[in-house]
Amino acid sequence: GQQLNQSPQSMFIQEGEDVSMNCTSSSIFNTWLWYKQEPGEGPVLLIALYKAGELTSNGRLTAQFGITRKDSFLNISASIPSDVGIYFCAPWAGNQFYFGTGTSLTVIP
Amino acid sequence: EAGVAQSPRYKIIEKRQSVAFWCNPISGHATLYWYQQILGQGPKLLIQFQNNGVVDDSQLPKDRFSAERLKGVDSTLKIQPAKLEDSAVYLCASSAAVVQGEAFFGQGTRLTVV
Repeated sequence: GQQLNQSPQSMFIQEGEDVSMNCTSSSIFNTWLWYKQEPGEGPVLLIALYKAGELTSNGRLTAQFGITRKDSFLNISASIPSDVGIYFCAPWAGNQFYFGTGTSLTVIP
Repeated sequence: EAGVAQSPRYKIIEKRQSVAFWCNPISGHATLYWYQQILGQGPKLLIQFQNNGVVDDSQLPKDRFSAERLKGVDSTLKIQPAKLEDSAVYLCASSAAVVQGEAFFGQGTRLTVV
């Protein structure tokens, strides 16, 4: 199966700080998606990336599709308490998504 | 636009009992997925439908799990008999396109097997 390494596993940051997380794989993908999951809820799509090298922003979120197509990163600027949750990368291959292990983010007010 | 609806939200059953989950995807979405999410892990695909046909069920434990999507809209996922290790959140997602489709998830059903 696909091997996805998502790091860091968890982060504890002060409100207002910037956050960076990434996802690497041994396989090449054509699409990278980033999802956020809050407790008791299903994952919510944040950003979709479709081209190698693509850099896309959604408000305070910025994500990039690695040029090798084997990695992607997600940055959150000026974090706020509602950013708390688990962030998953979900690259697409063939006909399905593969989810990373998640990065748990805690924002301390 | 209404999102993906799932029911029930929570279910507690004893091992060896059976259970069924229901999913109503976003209107017009041809692709429907069922995922299993064990605590502390990312979602794992169980089965994928395109309309009412199965696209991928390679990771579905077919000796105890079954799923159907009659008429290409609603779907049900059944476990019979349940085991302790089936305790997880079962997520349904739908997508408008098979190729590079962006999937939208329901809130999930949290199953506890005791």
